[in-house]
Amino acid sequence: NAGVTQTPKFQVLKTGQSMTLQCAQDMNHNSMYWYRQDPGMGLRLIYYSASEGTTDKGEVPNGYNVSRLNKREFSLRLESAAPSQTSVYFCASSPGILLGGGYTFGSGTRLTVV
Amino acid sequence: GQQLNQSPQSMFIQEGEDVSMNCTSSSIFNTWLWYKQDPGEGPVLLIALYKAGELTSNGRLTAQFGITRKDSFLNISASIPSDVGIYFCAGLGSRLTFGEGTQLTVNP
Repeated sequence: NAGVTQTPKFQVLKTGQSMTLQCAQDMNHNSMYWYRQDPGMGLRLIYYSASEGTTDKGEVPNGYNVSRLNKREFSLRLESAAPSQTSVYFCASSPGILLGGGYTFGSGTRLTVV
Repeated sequence: GQQLNQSPQSMFIQEGEDVSMNCTSSSIFNTWLWYKQDPGEGPVLLIALYKAGELTSNGRLTAQFGITRKDSFLNISASIPSDVGIYFCAGLGSRLTFGEGTQLTVNP
């Protein structure tokens, strides 16, 4: 099983460009999440989807949008990239929103905005 | 919002030594989790704690859920080089909140 698959693994954008980060899980999980990781700040929640058809803001949602395309896929879009969005982005999934022990993470997308 | 304070930020130890790290919070959590992140990878769950006072082991790793539900610690005994990585605590309240991480370096 692949678990959680993120694409692309690396991306360089110019300020103002847009892009979509893709995430897919094959574990039949209900809930999916997008985090960003910056040095010394742990992982901060951007958006999450408790179940198919729902999305909610996390701790740092500004500058991002998400789409829960179906149960398997949850994408993160940057409409107009800014240097402050340079980070490592992780997608995760879990069986349910309150099942913390069941989180599975992808291997990350390293994004640089110049 | 909920915040977790994880310490120490980094540790440099010799192979064979024991390691201890901890997390404290101003908020109560229902679940405490410990993750390890290898370079270039996402975090992987090490131990999950679901009950205040719970002490759980996973091989050389031992973690405890504090009685107040506001803290947790992780111990690694007899460290080996492959223990190198970033260790994160996480608390589950209304959502999963991560600590800042402890960077562990093990010298052979």
